[in-house]
Amino acid sequence: DTAVSQTPKYLVTQMGNDKSIKCEQNLGHDTMYWYKQDSKKFLKIMFSYNNKELIINETVPNRFSPKSPDKAHLNLHINSLELGDSAVYFCASSPGPASGNTIYFGEGSWLTVV
Amino acid sequence: AQTVTQSQPEMSVQEAETVTLSCTYDTSESNYYLFWYKQPPSRQMILVIRQEAYKQQNATENRFSVNFQKAAKSFSLKISDSQLGDTAMYFCAFMKARAGTASKLTFGTGTRLQVTL
Repeated sequence: DTAVSQTPKYLVTQMGNDKSIKCEQNLGHDTMYWYKQDSKKFLKIMFSYNNKELIINETVPNRFSPKSPDKAHLNLHINSLELGDSAVYFCASSPGPASGNTIYFGEGSWLTVV
Repeated sequence: AQTVTQSQPEMSVQEAETVTLSCTYDTSESNYYLFWYKQPPSRQMILVIRQEAYKQQNATENRFSVNFQKAAKSFSLKISDSQLGDTAMYFCAFMKARAGTASKLTFGTGTRLQVTL
């Protein structure tokens, strides 16, 4: 069973469209994240939720809206897609300090905006 | 703010040899965690090794070990007996210790490692 799963894995869409990426973790972790990896492979935090509460929001355009219906799910909705949004988006989760703070990543969702 | 620097964009090593990847970081925090993640061509981010800053002993995981020099803010990764499957992008990452909840990872720019026959 995949511990952190994201769908879709690949997404090609036109500029101006709205799209969502879903993420689920079955590890029982309290904290979930979205990271973005750009074309130069640089990874940067976008958002973090702890028990459905937003705790990190890193200067991300408000076209990006995370939603956490419960602590096992963190979805990412993107409005009015732009060419610069093309990237790999990684969902991740962590048990927190009690278990060493290790962050576990999903397989990534490769978004291409044309 | 924390920064992580990986000064080697690309490295190559022959199979069965040993290679060391460099990482330095800058922080004013006294308590933190350091990680090495591996990203093979499949794009999956795989944890290689983790080090708690308060531990003086260097972490080891099978063929992977680190040289953690807290005063120098250096955290290098040594891969022994390199295998073809070690070919990947390697990212060094820093996490500030935070009470009660996990913090975020700050990544370096990565080192692309190629293992050759």
